[in-house]
Amino acid sequence: DQQVKQNSPSLSVQEGRISILNCDYTNSMFDYFLWYKKYPAEGPTFLISISSIKDKNEDGRFTVFLNKSAKHLSLHIVPSQPGDSAVYFCASKGNTGNQFYFGTGTSLTVIP
Amino acid sequence: EAGVAQSPRYKIIEKRQSVAFWCNPISGHATLYWYQQILGQGPKLLIQFQNNGVVDDSQLPKDRFSAERLKGVDSTLKIQPAKLEDSAVYLCASSFQRGGPDTQYFGPGTRLTVL
Repeated sequence: DQQVKQNSPSLSVQEGRISILNCDYTNSMFDYFLWYKKYPAEGPTFLISISSIKDKNEDGRFTVFLNKSAKHLSLHIVPSQPGDSAVYFCASKGNTGNQFYFGTGTSLTVIP
Repeated sequence: EAGVAQSPRYKIIEKRQSVAFWCNPISGHATLYWYQQILGQGPKLLIQFQNNGVVDDSQLPKDRFSAERLKGVDSTLKIQPAKLEDSAVYLCASSFQRGGPDTQYFGPGTRLTVL
């Protein structure tokens, strides 16, 4: 049972444009959400997070939006750079325990 | 600050053989996780330790997988005997504490191929 879903396996964007990566979750008990970035042959690295008490969190070129009623979060990258090309995973956890549930990832390619 | 270390980086074995992976978490991180990431999927938690105690091993195939974290620092994950479907990247992660918003930091992973 996939509790976190990333329905777009890949995305291509021109350099300088906005990249929007989407993630849906099914468990209404999830209250903390993260995005990880993964380069080939490396482990995922933490990018940005948001708790359920917020609907937006911004860090430089990266902004995460949370829509609790729709159980949807998105990651915006503006402006996109070639170095942003990687696989992006969203992850969610509930308010009990510390188990994170990961989506299947979206491969972003930023075209110079 | 040193990151999460894992070894080996790559391992190729034949089915029914045994294999072990090692992880050294970030210093001071009490919580350690082992994940299995099959190609094309997201990481799936196998086991979570808090210090040297098991917090969650509900998704660990205990008939063939085992893990330990002696002295609450390093950890080893063992598969005995391996099956073809165990081919995956095994990721180790650590976090400072359990509970509440807490980021996990991942190691580079061990890519296991079972032939």
